[in-house]
Amino acid sequence: DTGVSQDPRHKITKRGQNVTFRCDPISEHNRLYWYRQTLGQGPEFLTYFQNEAQLEKSRLLSDRFSAERPKGSFSTLEIQRTEQGDSAMYLCASSLARGREQFFGPGTRLTVL
Amino acid sequence: GEDVEQSLFLSVREGDSSVINCTYTDSSSTYLYWYKQEPGAGLQLLTYIFSNMDMKQDQRLTVLLNKKDKHLSLRIADTQTGDSAIYFCAESKNDMRFGAGTRLTVKP
Repeated sequence: DTGVSQDPRHKITKRGQNVTFRCDPISEHNRLYWYRQTLGQGPEFLTYFQNEAQLEKSRLLSDRFSAERPKGSFSTLEIQRTEQGDSAMYLCASSLARGREQFFGPGTRLTVL
Repeated sequence: GEDVEQSLFLSVREGDSSVINCTYTDSSSTYLYWYKQEPGAGLQLLTYIFSNMDMKQDQRLTVLLNKKDKHLSLRIADTQTGDSAIYFCAESKNDMRFGAGTRLTVKP
């Protein structure tokens, strides 16, 4: 399978714990995006990378959130001191170039108890 | 997304055509997209249209773009029960902005 993959698919955690999600983009794509989707809403942009450089961060991305793409391939999204409001589906997408179609992974569903 | 609006629900009978509408606000959008999301899954790219086009057809899917009115539509011909899903409109210049999605229900 050469699509975008995400791990884990589901994560249940207690409030205050840290969680980390991983995304593996399509191999030739140099752009990687993170989105958050809550029930009944479309995906909301969080941040994106071009190769290893993080080029834009949404104001939704509080200081508890950090994303990395150290070698310009896979990316991780970490949430520290999780809150119940962080419960959502976290989607990763990749694209070949700026403004072009993005291909999405299956998402990681986070539940914070 | 506040910049992209869609009606929330659409119900059609199997075999009929479905038309899902979307309006957006950024006139400088380069591409406009339609994605499909089934329960518990990620988003599947269905089709997209470049902003200098006004129509694109791909098998059962027809996309119409009225750039003057900033209106995009997706027509699904001969709608099947497997088309039941949430359909998201998105516009892109640098990042991508999504509508809240239209839940399409296809009744047998």
